[in-house]
Amino acid sequence: SQQGEEDPQALSIQEGENATMNCSYKTSINNLQWYRQNSGRGLVHLILIRSNEREKHSGRLRVTLDTSKKSSSLLITASRAADTASYFCATDPTSGTYKYIFGTGTRLKVLA
Amino acid sequence: EPEVTQTPSHQVTQMGQEVILRCVPISNHLYFYWYRQILGQKVEFLVSFYNNEISEKSEIFDDQFSVERPDGSNFTLKIRSTKLEDSAMYFCASEEEFASYGYTFGSGTRLTVV
Repeated sequence: SQQGEEDPQALSIQEGENATMNCSYKTSINNLQWYRQNSGRGLVHLILIRSNEREKHSGRLRVTLDTSKKSSSLLITASRAADTASYFCATDPTSGTYKYIFGTGTRLKVLA
Repeated sequence: EPEVTQTPSHQVTQMGQEVILRCVPISNHLYFYWYRQILGQKVEFLVSFYNNEISEKSEIFDDQFSVERPDGSNFTLKIRSTKLEDSAMYFCASEEEFASYGYTFGSGTRLTVV
């Protein structure tokens, strides 16, 4: 499998509920980031968590990173219809590469 | 807030034609990237560019592709002879320093090859 795989692939929840998306990766990383993509649009950077950090918050977003399990989760609390989008994790591997590697994405649908 | 600007937003081209996709990165950013996303699929790395040269490229970025930063502000991706499978969204991104705060992406160019 590939570096950066999100699960679930698709998630449908009611407005007000929390949404949790997970990302697993294969190689050691310097940092991991989450991006949002509205349908047919560009990607928007949400949050970056470094390998020596375990948890980070930004507004209604909470990101965790477990480097021993090579996994991260993105929690969106009190979701809104406007949160409907695809969410991607991206990793910065320690292997000296000059790029981020994106996962396959989770399509989140928040129902009003 | 500073933006990465991409033009055109949508381009339709005939197979075999050359296309140039244009990007204006954020002015104080030093690292530039092109990614592409075939409809409904993952975001794939094409090339990274730093200090006026390619720092890394993927297997997708074959001899048909080239990048340039001709005037210190624009960053272009050229596809010399387009194929049907080049149809995708192409995203430009820039970063002030590598692995600092993450990419700022442009809104993309949808390339349709017919």
